Amino acid sequence: SQTIHQWPATLVQPVGSPLSLECTVEGTSNPNLYWYRQAAGRGLQLLFYSVGIGQISSEVPQNLSASRPQDRQFILSSKKLLLSDSGFYLCAWSGRATGRREQFFGPGTRLTVL
Amino acid sequence: AQKITQTQPGMFVQEKEAVTLDCTYDTSDQSYGLFWYKQPSSGEMIFLIYQGSYDEQNATEGRYSLNFQKARKSANLVISASQLGDSAMYFCAMREGFYQKVTFGTGTKLQVIP
Repeated sequence: SQTIHQWPATLVQPVGSPLSLECTVEGTSNPNLYWYRQAAGRGLQLLFYSVGIGQISSEVPQNLSASRPQDRQFILSSKKLLLSDSGFYLCAWSGRATGRREQFFGPGTRLTVL
Repeated sequence: AQKITQTQPGMFVQEKEAVTLDCTYDTSDQSYGLFWYKQPSSGEMIFLIYQGSYDEQNATEGRYSLNFQKARKSANLVISASQLGDSAMYFCAMREGFYQKVTFGTGTKLQVIP
């Protein structure tokens, strides 16, 4: 069966510090991968998605970046965090086969920038 | 224009009663998919139900059913026999386009009253 891991679960970082959030998927190959951010009490904002290694599409211009160094690894980074980067970050994957291709989400990382 | 609109920020329902959560969508694609997810206070996103744009019958998954009205571009979620554990945020989402991106609505907070 497929599983998706995210770490860390919670993170408190000062403004201006770097960020690295990691997401890995097990039990599937060549998944589509996504990073979302959810502000408190709000919906999900798509940040990045990837259809393959090294292929990243950005949805929102910001100080965040994403990389996909391996097929089932997706990394969200920042060189200098802003207060507005606080939120709940969710990684998700979906399959490529035809059909419903629902997204499966990781447990999330709760980031607080102080 | 909003791709996914959920007009009910919050809803209350009596335990064991049915409740309908509204969702309208906007797309010019002929092929698209509609999803509902549940997000409890823990933050995890749980897939509930899927409706494909070419599916002629409304989707059902246990106590969840999707009232799909294609001409009206609505995809309402119906939860029958509400339980206390149904209290959560509910998000409607749509997958469309060449890259099959998924857009989420702003969510509806459902509270089940004993």
